[in-house]
Amino acid sequence: NAGVTQTPKFQVLKTGQSMTLQCAQDMNHEYMSWYRQDPGMGLRLIHYSVGAGITDQGEVPNGYNVSRSTTEDFPLRLLSAAPSQTSVYFCASSYWGIPEETQYFGPGTRLLVL
Amino acid sequence: AQSVAQPEDQVNVAEGNPLTVKCTYSVSGNPYLFWYVQYPNRGLQFLLKYITGDNLVKGSYGFEAEFNKSQTSFHLKKPSALVSDSALYFCAVRDMSRRALTFGSGTRLQVQP
Repeated sequence: NAGVTQTPKFQVLKTGQSMTLQCAQDMNHEYMSWYRQDPGMGLRLIHYSVGAGITDQGEVPNGYNVSRSTTEDFPLRLLSAAPSQTSVYFCASSYWGIPEETQYFGPGTRLLVL
Repeated sequence: AQSVAQPEDQVNVAEGNPLTVKCTYSVSGNPYLFWYVQYPNRGLQFLLKYITGDNLVKGSYGFEAEFNKSQTSFHLKKPSALVSDSALYFCAVRDMSRRALTFGSGTRLQVQP
């Protein structure tokens, strides 16, 4: 199992550009989520999905879109990048249905918006 | 709404000494608590979790955590620290509405040789 994979590892964007952060998992997990990590703030939830075709907003969804067409993939789209979106982005997945399930994280994408 | 507090930005400890990284939580209902570790330029790795039962939870790499319901705490501990334990540690509680994790701000552990 590769677990949770993310691409790219690092990206530099100019303000106003768009891009898609990729996330895939091979554990057949129903639940997938995106977090951003900023210094001194821990990780904050952006969007999440409980299965293919179902997505919902987290704590900080503005400026980001998601879709879930397959169980394996959960891309995060930045439509018009802003410097405030400079952060490290983590994708996570787990089984759905019981709250004690462990979430598994990808290696992260470091994004710099100039 | 649930929340997690990690009151120490950094903890310094000498190699071989016991270490404690503090975490307090606030939830309505039963808490589902987790500890993760992040090494430099890496993702988060799961260490341990508390669901129910024994208040002392054992996890990976010799770490354990003590759940205290009356003090609403879930402190991470290790009897003898290693230099390789130096990393960023996050406490988290399950958000029952979204099934996501609500994280504390993180505590940087520095273990000196």
